[in-house]
Amino acid sequence: EDKVVQSPLSLVVHEGDTVTLNCSYEVTNFRSLLWYKQEKKAPTFLFMLTSSGIEKKSGRLSSILDKKELFSILNITATQTGDSAIYLCAVEKSSGDKLTFGTGTRLAVRP
Amino acid sequence: DVKVTQSSRYLVKRTGEKVFLECVQDMDHENMFWYRQDPGLGLRLIYFSYDVKMKEKGDIPEGYSVSREKKERFSLILESASTNQTSMYLCASSPRGQGAYEQYFGPGTRLTVT
Repeated sequence: EDKVVQSPLSLVVHEGDTVTLNCSYEVTNFRSLLWYKQEKKAPTFLFMLTSSGIEKKSGRLSSILDKKELFSILNITATQTGDSAIYLCAVEKSSGDKLTFGTGTRLAVRP
Repeated sequence: DVKVTQSSRYLVKRTGEKVFLECVQDMDHENMFWYRQDPGLGLRLIYFSYDVKMKEKGDIPEGYSVSREKKERFSLILESASTNQTSMYLCASSPRGQGAYEQYFGPGTRLTVT
């Protein structure tokens, strides 16, 4: 059975801290790993990773994939209160277009 | 910009009622998905459709059915709502092809069944 596990489940930090969110997976026929940010409503897309070792970066957020060890990390530097959200990790298989999601990490950034 | 809209943000229904949740996307995407999101369980796939009139069961299809009569519209139907179907329902769409594509999500419908 396909599995995506995120850790930690929740995290509280202060503004300016750096955080690392983890996502490990066990799926057959891996195609890609995606990160989403979910605030009050719809998840919004952050990154898609398909190759090991290539960092994707967007402002203070960055992510990298390790296909040998089957995990990805999402880093957020100099956190701001606007980073407070649930961060979702999902894996896509090459056999279809469906995503398998992890349970998410709830991040709270205190002023 | 891709837009996925859902018919209601909040819905309250009684046990046994038939419930329709509507989803519309404006980007001509082939794939459409229905998820439910519950605390501690993440997003779980209920059904998905890769073409008009085509559907596939996801991980938790029991108690639900779907309809896709037009490419842009995907409906989720609860034939007889039960309290354990109280949840956040999210619709998503994506292109279909050889590459990897992200899914675009609607704002969600928070359904309460009393």
